[in-house]
Amino acid sequence: DVKVTQSSRYLVKRTGEKVFLECVQDMDHENMFWYRQDPGLGLRLIYFSYDVKMKEKGDIPEGYSVSREKKERFSLILESASTNQTSMYLCASSPGEMAGIWHFGDGTRLSIL
Amino acid sequence: AQTVTQSQPEMSVQEAETVTLSCTYDTSESDYYLFWYKQPPSRQMILVIRQEAYKQQNATENRFSVNFQKAAKSFSLKISDSQLGDAAMYFCAYFNNNDMRFGAGTRLTVKP
Repeated sequence: DVKVTQSSRYLVKRTGEKVFLECVQDMDHENMFWYRQDPGLGLRLIYFSYDVKMKEKGDIPEGYSVSREKKERFSLILESASTNQTSMYLCASSPGEMAGIWHFGDGTRLSIL
Repeated sequence: AQTVTQSQPEMSVQEAETVTLSCTYDTSESDYYLFWYKQPPSRQMILVIRQEAYKQQNATENRFSVNFQKAAKSFSLKISDSQLGDAAMYFCAYFNNNDMRFGAGTRLTVKP
């Protein structure tokens, strides 16, 4: 069974801290994605990666960076956390072909105080 | 960029009855996919149904079916014989060239 695992279900951090959100998938998928989910806005794409060491900006990359050193792991980094980054963060992975089914993690609810 | 619009932030349905969730999208592409995802309180995003744009036949999965109107760019989800377990956030999504766009979601409440 495909598994996308996010390291934390809940996380509380302070303003200005550097925050790491980790995502690991076990299906050898090429593509991985980070979304943030906010009420009334749905899911918005932050960053995505089609291969190891490769990254592309999504719609709202400001204040975030990512790292993909290994195929199975895609990390989202908040360089200096701010209160407006309080949100739910969802990681997803998919195989390379267009019709591939996406798999999502259970989300990390991040609070920045 | 493609946009997906769900105009109903909240819907409710009586158990065993039928409910339809609306979704419209904007695209200039002719070949794409459309999805409905369910997100229960557990937060796991669960694929409910998938429609390929080049197929005219509406997709069906048990109690879930879609009304896909390509010219109108409309993709509604019908849930028949609603069950308490159907209560969740439902997201409509458009997919093309590895780009997935989501609507804002519709929160469905099922009344016993």
